[in-house]
Amino acid sequence: GQQLNQSPQSMFIQEGEDVSMNCTSSSIFNTWLWYKQDPGEGPVLLIALYKAGELTSNGRLTAQFGITRKDSFLNISASIPSDVGIYFCAGAFMSQAGTALIFGKGTTLSVSS
Amino acid sequence: GAVVSQHPSRVICKSGTSVKIECRSLDFQATTMFWYRQFPKQSLMLMATSNEGSKATYEQGVEKDKFLINHASLTLSTLTVTSAHPEDSSFYICSAAPLGAVNTEAFFGQGTRLTVV
Repeated sequence: GQQLNQSPQSMFIQEGEDVSMNCTSSSIFNTWLWYKQDPGEGPVLLIALYKAGELTSNGRLTAQFGITRKDSFLNISASIPSDVGIYFCAGAFMSQAGTALIFGKGTTLSVSS
Repeated sequence: GAVVSQHPSRVICKSGTSVKIECRSLDFQATTMFWYRQFPKQSLMLMATSNEGSKATYEQGVEKDKFLINHASLTLSTLTVTSAHPEDSSFYICSAAPLGAVNTEAFFGQGTRLTVV
């Protein structure tokens, strides 16, 4: 079955540092998405990528859709304490019910001030 | 922005009982809603896709008689965990895609923490 390999699993950084995480797969996806999940809450969409090679920013967040369509990365610049949470990548694929998402295992980010 | 609300946010039930979880799109209509399950420190696993007015499509390995899904209107889908067992304890999350939007633009609810004792 399809799998997303997300790394790193966890990160411990100082406030102000930049962060980078990525997802890779052996499968091709038409859409890559990045979400943030706070404890006890549902995921919130951060960035959606729809074209291979696309580079998209949302404030201090930047994400890119790999040219091979098998990978994506998310960068967070100048991290702040509220960036703490779990970040998930997700790839969209066609299931028998329509478009569905497969999620990576998440990157847990801790920021110390 | 679009809001998806789940109710209850937490529920504790006894083994053998059934629990119903509601997923509502508050300010938009959704033809498609998705139900996910998330174990502690794990990723979201898609359980089923729910389309308004038709039977839900379940992912491989998910028992449809165990997890009953009803999508009765364009703003409400329900997931009923029947004859719950402790191993059903998990975080259940729904998402809803607005009419006309691609399913990748679905918005997530805040989740329901189910504990079966």
